[in-house]
Amino acid sequence: QSVLTQPPSVSGAPGQRVTISCTGSSSNIGAGYDVHWYQQLPGTAPKLLIYGNSNRPSGVPDRFSGSKSGTSASLAITGLQAEDEADYYCQSYDSSLSGLDVVFGGGTKLTVL
Amino acid sequence: EVQLVESGGGLVKPGGSLRLSCAASGFTFSSYSMNWVRQAPGKGLEWVSSISSSSSYIYYADSVKGRFTISRDNAKNSLYLQMNSLRAEDTAVYYCAREGIAVAVSYFDYWGQGTLVTVSS
Repeated sequence: QSVLTQPPSVSGAPGQRVTISCTGSSSNIGAGYDVHWYQQLPGTAPKLLIYGNSNRPSGVPDRFSGSKSGTSASLAITGLQAEDEADYYCQSYDSSLSGLDVVFGGGTKLTVL
Repeated sequence: EVQLVESGGGLVKPGGSLRLSCAASGFTFSSYSMNWVRQAPGKGLEWVSSISSSSSYIYYADSVKGRFTISRDNAKNSLYLQMNSLRAEDTAVYYCAREGIAVAVSYFDYWGQGTLVTVSS
């Protein structure tokens, strides 16, 4: 069970807007820690999509945007394209008895219908 | 162009050892913290370990603490992961990942292609 909870799957038609949620708690997102997002295309390594809640690395289309509020974060994809079909992961820190850990969400599979 | 190339994966018996390597190029390796992240077959991402630029700070996930050792050689632009007492649940693709520096919470801005470690008798 992941510390950060994501829906297992989401889907949308080409051109539509989809959002992927990442729900945490007071020991991670709610504690003020930034959230980052990664895209993993089938058979490839993860790629950084959003860092620091809402910042896009160079080369990432502005169709991708991130936000954070309270104990949750969201990734929004507008103008959905077939090439967006992939797994998406959120990531943050979690403070526990053993210290500060890097934690990932369980991942969300995006299907473009 | 930033490149991270992992090697050293393979099939190993439970209780065995393996040493992974990651060759870095295209950036000043000695200026960045580096990490290992793994992904079991059909599963999600799991952070394994991190090492600061000068090796002063080293961290491990509880699942590998006491069994895995991360190290680096800045002169050779290389990152390593020594894995001992391997278990079936360590079976995964292991990724080498560079740590970004723009914000306080660690994130991974470049990833290697991964190397598969299979622990089975």
